[in-house]
Amino acid sequence: AQSVTQLGSHVSVSEGALVLLRCNYSSSVPPYLFWYVQYPNQGLQLLLKYTSAATLVKGINGFEAEFKKSETSFHLTKPSAHMSDAAEYFCAVSELGYQKVTFGTGTKLQVIP
Amino acid sequence: DAGVIQSPRHEVTEMGQEVTLRCKPISGHDYLFWYRQTMMRGLELLIYFNNNVPIDDSGMPEDRFSAKMPNASFSTLKIQPSEPRDSAVYFCASSFGSSNTEAFFGQGTRLTVV
Repeated sequence: AQSVTQLGSHVSVSEGALVLLRCNYSSSVPPYLFWYVQYPNQGLQLLLKYTSAATLVKGINGFEAEFKKSETSFHLTKPSAHMSDAAEYFCAVSELGYQKVTFGTGTKLQVIP
Repeated sequence: DAGVIQSPRHEVTEMGQEVTLRCKPISGHDYLFWYRQTMMRGLELLIYFNNNVPIDDSGMPEDRFSAKMPNASFSTLKIQPSEPRDSAVYFCASSFGSSNTEAFFGQGTRLTVV
């Protein structure tokens, strides 16, 4: 069975500081991995996805994530946090050919001025 | 396209009443998903459809929950009878194709059962 674990339910960073949100996955087959963002009272929006083409994936709003098979990780980073990045971020996994996506528990990012 | 449209945005109902949540997916999308989000359990997949056919309903919590997709542009999630523990935000999402493509989410329905 596929699953993802997000380390840290809350992360606080200063504006302009590095953002690092951690995600580890478990999958019996090569996974497809996603990061979604949820702003208050909104649905989820795709930030980026890994589909085995390249291990470093660039997404919207300056975010990127690196797939590391040896560490079973897919951490999300952004070099410089902006106030507008304050939101909840979800890591998710699915398996090739399957549309069923399993989400992590989410990490709320707070950006301090 | 207006995106995935859910109605109502908010629903408050009394325990024991029937609740129906509605979803209109993005035109042309062939997959539709129903999720439930709570503080305790996070985001849970309840059921998903492909070409209007239910594929996996293993996440539906009880027989009180049922979902239908009578055509490609409409789906419902029904809870009968509702209970306070059903209080949550229910999201509908749709996607196109079978190669693990992006799911587009609606804004959700916040259900409160009192």
